[in-house]
Amino acid sequence: DVKVTQSSRYLVKRTGEKVFLECVQDMDHENMFWYRQDPGLGLRLIYFSYDVKMKEKGDIPEGYSVSREKKERFSLILESASTNQTSMYLCASSLFRTLNEQFFGPGTRLTVL
Amino acid sequence: TQLLEQSPQFLSIQEGENLTVYCNSSSVFSSLQWYRQEPGEGPVLLVTVVTGGEVKKLKRLTFQFGDARKDSSLHITAAQPGDTGLYLCAGYSGTYKYIFGTGTRLKVLA
Repeated sequence: DVKVTQSSRYLVKRTGEKVFLECVQDMDHENMFWYRQDPGLGLRLIYFSYDVKMKEKGDIPEGYSVSREKKERFSLILESASTNQTSMYLCASSLFRTLNEQFFGPGTRLTVL
Repeated sequence: TQLLEQSPQFLSIQEGENLTVYCNSSSVFSSLQWYRQEPGEGPVLLVTVVTGGEVKKLKRLTFQFGDARKDSSLHITAAQPGDTGLYLCAGYSGTYKYIFGTGTRLKVLA
């Protein structure tokens, strides 16, 4: 059974903290994505990666960075967490061919106090 | 910036009723996907449509891609409580990226 796992389901952090969200996929997919999901706004792409050590900015990259040192792992980093980064964060992966479906993890609900 | 607007935003219906959810854009997409997301889970793909005018059926769900590939609809016949969830459309915008719609939250009451 294919799987995308995320390191935490719920996370509470303080303003200014550095936050790491980890995502691992076991499907040998080339593409990996980080989205944030907010009510009424759908899913917005933060960053994506199409290969190890490769990354591309999505629509809302400000305040975030990413790391992909291994094919199966894609990390999202909040350099200095702020309250407006309180959100649901979803990781996804897909095969190289662009019309393939994205497989999503269960999400991490992050609260920044 | 490409946008996908979904309507309605919320829908609460009785079991057995029919419903249609719409996904509209001013941009052309080369393909469009529909996902369903249940509480506490990530979205799961239901269908991908590629050709303008294409219609795909998945049991009681019928998906249509507009002729101009700018819009899509999802029709559910005889809705059941198990259809409850957040429905998201996603248009392929090139360079590996899909643009997601704003979502329609459906609740089917028994």
